[in-house]
Amino acid sequence: SQQGEEDPQALSIQEGENATMNCSYKTSINNLQWYRQNSGRGLVHLILIRSNEREKHSGRLRVTLDTSKKSSSLLITASRAADTASYFCATDARNYGQNFVFGPGTRLSVLP
Amino acid sequence: GAVVSQHPSRVICKSGTSVKIECRSLDFQATTMFWYRQFPKKSLMLMATSNEGSKATYEQGVEKDKFLINHASLTLSTLTVTSAHPEDSSFYICSAQGGGGRSYEQYFGPGTRLTVT
Repeated sequence: SQQGEEDPQALSIQEGENATMNCSYKTSINNLQWYRQNSGRGLVHLILIRSNEREKHSGRLRVTLDTSKKSSSLLITASRAADTASYFCATDARNYGQNFVFGPGTRLSVLP
Repeated sequence: GAVVSQHPSRVICKSGTSVKIECRSLDFQATTMFWYRQFPKKSLMLMATSNEGSKATYEQGVEKDKFLINHASLTLSTLTVTSAHPEDSSFYICSAQGGGGRSYEQYFGPGTRLTVT
C-alpha cells in the first residue's frame, strides 16, 4: 500500500513566510526522510528522523514525527525563492533492506 | 554524507537502441541498490532492487527483459534499457544502501534523463 503521502500537493507562498508540509504513512517505520527535488534534477537529502525521535532541526528546516498518528511535518522558516522545489517524504518499513516508499510530493513555490 | 553518482546525466537515443545507465557509490560499499523511475511532476516509483552478486528483484509491472540490471560490484550497478521506445523516456534515479552502522540509510544519485526519439 502507498506510504508517505504528502499534503498539500501544491503550496504557494511569499518569500519570508513559513511553509509547512505534512506526510502521512501507514505502517510502522524505522525512519522517515525528507528530500528536495528541483525541477528535472535529482533528489537532495534534507533530514532523516528516526522512529524514536520527535523533532529535528537543520538550519531553517524543522521536522517533526508523530508515530502515534503516523505523520511527519516539514517546516521551512523564512522561505526564499531558492526553496522552490518539490519536497518528498520517504519511509522505510521495519524490515532491513526494505526500499523507501515515496509519497507524491509537495510542490512548493516561493514567490519573490 | 555519502556520494552516489550516475552517468550519463542526460542521454538522447533513437527508438530501438539500447542505453546503459551507471550508478556508482563513490565512498562506501553499497550492498543494495535501487532503481527508480520518475515521470514528469510525479513521485519516484521503484523499478527494482538489486543486491550485489545476485539477480535483481523487479517490481510488479516492470519488464525484467527490458530493464536489465546488473550489480556486479559493491560500488557499481547498471541499468540497461533495451530496445528503447519513446514511452521509456523518463528520469531514472538510483539509490545505494549499505555500509557501516547506518546501513539502512539510502543515498540517491542525481538522476539520468533519458529521451527516446
